Amino acid sequence: AQSVAQPEDQVNVAEGNPLTVKCTYSVSGNPYLFWYVQYPNRGLQFLLKYITGDNLVKGSYGFEAEFNKSQTSFHLKKPSALVSDSALYFCAVRDGGSARQLTFGSGTQLTVLP
Amino acid sequence: NAGVTQTPKFQVLKTGQSMTLQCAQDMNHEYMSWYRQDPGMGLRLIHYSVGAGITDQGEVPNGYNVSRSTTEDFPLRLLSAAPSQTSVYFCASKLSNTGELFFGEGSRLTVL
Repeated sequence: AQSVAQPEDQVNVAEGNPLTVKCTYSVSGNPYLFWYVQYPNRGLQFLLKYITGDNLVKGSYGFEAEFNKSQTSFHLKKPSALVSDSALYFCAVRDGGSARQLTFGSGTQLTVLP
Repeated sequence: NAGVTQTPKFQVLKTGQSMTLQCAQDMNHEYMSWYRQDPGMGLRLIHYSVGAGITDQGEVPNGYNVSRSTTEDFPLRLLSAAPSQTSVYFCASKLSNTGELFFGEGSRLTVL
């Protein structure tokens, strides 16, 4: 089985401060991990992914995520938050060694306060 | 490129009515899928296809049918709509096994 958890429904951060959106996962084999962002009344947009290689992955709009195998985590980070980063963020995982499809977390609403 | 195009964007149905949500992509992606998004539940996979003529069930397939006669199109059919199918539906496609999904803008369906 595979699963993904986003433990925080809502994250608030002040503009200019660093932000972290948490994600933990569970798979039997090697994980393929993704982050997506959704702005109001829009479809999801891809931010970054980890398939293999360096544990620190850099993506769009200055976001990055660190793959931590021992803690089974893939937290999304940005050094300096912008008001325009306010959106709904989804972590997703699939077991790379199986035919299973992508499983999404329940989402974290990020609000960056001016 | 238009990417992934979904129609209609909004639809209101009465219980028992049928309808088809259309999805088309112009990126020559073999993989296409349908998700539904409900508050607090993330996205749940309804059906997916790994190529023309091949479809398979996802996590929540009941009440929905799909077909894939061409690489470009992947329609989702509701045969007899129920209020529990009130949701926002997203079509998505990807190029490869490790590739990211490209999403349409969504179709908001209300079943009365």
